[in-house]
Formats: sequence, structure tokens, C-alpha cells
Amino acid sequence: AQSVSQHNHHVILSEAASLELGCNYSYGGTVNLFWYVQYPGQHLQLLLKYFSGDPLVKGIKGFEAEFIKSKFSFNLRKPSVQWSDTAEYFCAVNKDSSASKIIFGSGTRLSIRP
Amino acid sequence: GAVVSQHPSWVICKSGTSVKIECRSLDFQATTMFWYRQFPKQSLMLMATSNEGSKATYEQGVEKDKFLINHASLTLSTLTVTSAHPEDSSFYICSARGTSVREQFFGPGTRLTVL
Repeated sequence: AQSVSQHNHHVILSEAASLELGCNYSYGGTVNLFWYVQYPGQHLQLLLKYFSGDPLVKGIKGFEAEFIKSKFSFNLRKPSVQWSDTAEYFCAVNKDSSASKIIFGSGTRLSIRP
Repeated sequence: GAVVSQHPSWVICKSGTSVKIECRSLDFQATTMFWYRQFPKQSLMLMATSNEGSKATYEQGVEKDKFLINHASLTLSTLTVTSAHPEDSSFYICSARGTSVREQFFGPGTRLTVL
């Protein structure tokens, strides 16, 4: 069965610092990959997604992610974080098949010090 | 873009009562809908997958008699929490998938509090 691992449970950064959140998945076939953000008290929002093509994906709010197939990874990056990026970040994956369902990682809580 | 709505956005009920949550795809036909549950400060856990006109498929450990799912049309799925107890208090989120198998579109969630 597919699974998603986010090893960073809580990341604390200062404003303007660079961010990289790790995400690894376990499934050997073709996958679709997602990063979602959930701001405090709010619902889930899609940051970016990867289906195929260029492994470097750009999303909203200055975020990007790189799919490295050999490492089964899809790490999220942002060169300079802002206080407003404080949120919970979820990596998610589904198999590229008709029976697919999105499975979420455990999430990484990002706290930005002003 | 594809929009999914949920109703109600929040509900408070007494222990022992049943609560129904609706999930609607507003601008596309959803052949498959999914129900997730999110406890405070935790991730989303898939509860079940439902295809229009057929029985839902529940994930391991999810009680199908407690969480009744109906997907009667291509735009509506309902989750009924039967005989709710305080431990059922959670954030319930649905998602819907149209003709593309690659992506699911998520609703805003329903916060259930059982007293």
C-alpha cells in the first residue's frame, strides 16, 4: 500500500529564512504528488501538484517542489518565508490509476518567528 | 475550477443522536467521492471511498455501521454519523473526483462536536 512520510513534525524558522520540508512516499508505480497547506482554523488549500513532465513544480505563494523519482521524494521549498506562512503543511500522494485515492502524510507544522 | 461544498460547516449535537453531513460537487460530476477525518493537530485520515450508485468501500478500522455513506447522485454524497459520541468529535472533510483519476477536489470541512 502507498504511504507518505513527513519526517519534520515541527519546523521553526525566522522570517526571510529558506524553507525545505521533506516528503517521501513508498510506491513503485506512477504517482501523482501534492502539497497542501492548512492555515490555523481554516480548510485545506492546494499549494502545488505534480502529475508528469518537469520535475520542478511551482505553486502559489512562492512555493515550489522537486520530484526526485530515484529518491521517492517530493520536497517543498520556499527561498524566503514570511510570518504569514505559519501553517500546517501536508504532502499527499495517489497512484495514477482509476482506483486511486489521495493519502496524506502526517503533516509538518511550520512556525515563523516575526 | 472545481468546487466542492459541505453542509453544515459546523454542528453540535448531543451524545446518542445522528448527524448527517452533505458533500456536493458544484460544477462537475463526481464519479467518486471520499470522506476523511481530521483530529486536532493531526493529519487527514481516509475513512471511505464511495462511487455513485454503489456501496462505499471503508478503510480498515472504520465502522461502516457507524459512518453511513450514501452517494446517490453524481453531485451529492452524504455521511451520517449514527449514535454519535464525544469521541466522534472531529473535522470531517470530503473530496470529489471527476473524470480525471489524478486529482481530487476538497471541500471546506465540517466540524462536528458531540456533547
